[in-house]
Amino acid sequence: DAGVIQSPRHEVTEMGQEVTLRCKPISGHDYLFWYRQTMMRGLELLIYFNNNVPIDDSGMPEDRFSAKMPNASFSTLKIQPSEPRDSAVYFCASSLSSGGAGDTQYFGPGTRLTVL
Amino acid sequence: AQSVTQLGSHVSVSEGALVLLRCNYSSSVPPYLFWYVQYPNQGLQLLLKYTSAATLVKGINGFEAEFKKSETSFHLTKPSAHMSDAAEYFCAVKGTGFQKLVFGTGTRLLVSP
Repeated sequence: DAGVIQSPRHEVTEMGQEVTLRCKPISGHDYLFWYRQTMMRGLELLIYFNNNVPIDDSGMPEDRFSAKMPNASFSTLKIQPSEPRDSAVYFCASSLSSGGAGDTQYFGPGTRLTVL
Repeated sequence: AQSVTQLGSHVSVSEGALVLLRCNYSSSVPPYLFWYVQYPNQGLQLLLKYTSAATLVKGINGFEAEFKKSETSFHLTKPSAHMSDAAEYFCAVKGTGFQKLVFGTGTRLLVSP
């Protein structure tokens, strides 16, 4: 398996522009997570989906952030308009619910976003 | 609610020395506990996990961790550090039936020759 795939790996944009980050989870996984990692705040869970349905978006910082999962193999995280404080590494992760054991989340390589 | 505390944002060891990274958890339900490693410019990779099957858990790259309920701890150890172990290590907790992982703040392991 190719693992979780994220694109782009690096994104540099100017303040006010729209940014779209993409994620392809591991085939067959039914949970998908979006995280943000910064030096100041560490790893933060932004939102997660189960079977393409958003379950908990309480970590989404503000209305400028939105996430979708139109099908089981694709998700996007959009920031519109972007601001310099959104600069971070954004990770996507997926897992397969086993109904009892500790389900392992598999992380993608991340997208490093820089907003100038 | 679940949480984890990692003591020490940086740990320095010499190559060949014992590695000990500390993690204490707080959970109102029986927890699942995880250690992840992050190498520079990469995503997080699972090292090992505790799912109540055994209190001593062996992971990849020679790492292991012991679940101690009385101490609410899940410390990560490796008998002999290699230069390639230099990375950031994250402890995480998840409650039974919940899918959200709660991560600690991470510990950066530095290995000197």
